[in-house]
Amino acid sequence: DIQMTQSPSSVSASVGDRVTITCQASQGIGSWLAWYQQKPGKAPKRLIYAASSLQSGVPSRFSGSGSGTDFTLTISSLQPEDFATYYCQQSNTFPLTFGGGTKVEIK
Amino acid sequence: EVQLVESGGGLAQPGGSLRLSCAASGFAFSNYWMHWVRQVPGKGLVWVSRINSDGSNTTYADSVKGRLTISRDNAKNTLYLQMNSLRAEDTAVYYCARDGYTSGYDFDFWGQGTLVTVSS
Repeated sequence: DIQMTQSPSSVSASVGDRVTITCQASQGIGSWLAWYQQKPGKAPKRLIYAASSLQSGVPSRFSGSGSGTDFTLTISSLQPEDFATYYCQQSNTFPLTFGGGTKVEIK
Repeated sequence: EVQLVESGGGLAQPGGSLRLSCAASGFAFSNYWMHWVRQVPGKGLVWVSRINSDGSNTTYADSVKGRLTISRDNAKNTLYLQMNSLRAEDTAVYYCARDGYTSGYDFDFWGQGTLVTVSS
């Protein structure tokens, strides 16, 4: 199975801050990576697919980059509605696997 | 508008059974692969199973193989998860999700989830 390692597991940030979350795959997955946002009690919502493509309707302050084994999700200017948990997921090989999550908290 | 609505969750005894349903609307259900993903409350996301568009091919996580069965009825626009021989570790919120189709195997729309609790 492909292991997905996300870091950090949590980050405290202020509104307006730039936040970067990383995700490392245990083997190369090309650009087959997605990022999700999940708020408490809600279903996850896809933000980024194919490593860098922005889901329709998602604000442009979210961006993704990377390929192979190393990927990054960046929030360029954190907004109050962005406080949530973020997950990466490799979409290359079954079984599909997720990172452990990064909780973005208010500083 | 794409909508996925799960139902069928609840309390089951160890060794018991449940059948989850996911009613789909707002898109051509029969054209899409579908998935089940679960999440223990307070923990991370775990992929469970997928089914192709006509129901002829399925894949499972090792942890559920032989106990959980994914199926679909394209005439009813409904996805199912038959859960047998339930264990305490199957306790989780179960989400159905639509396959992203052009972006590898990811999930572009999710249902709201249904909670399954396995306990005596």
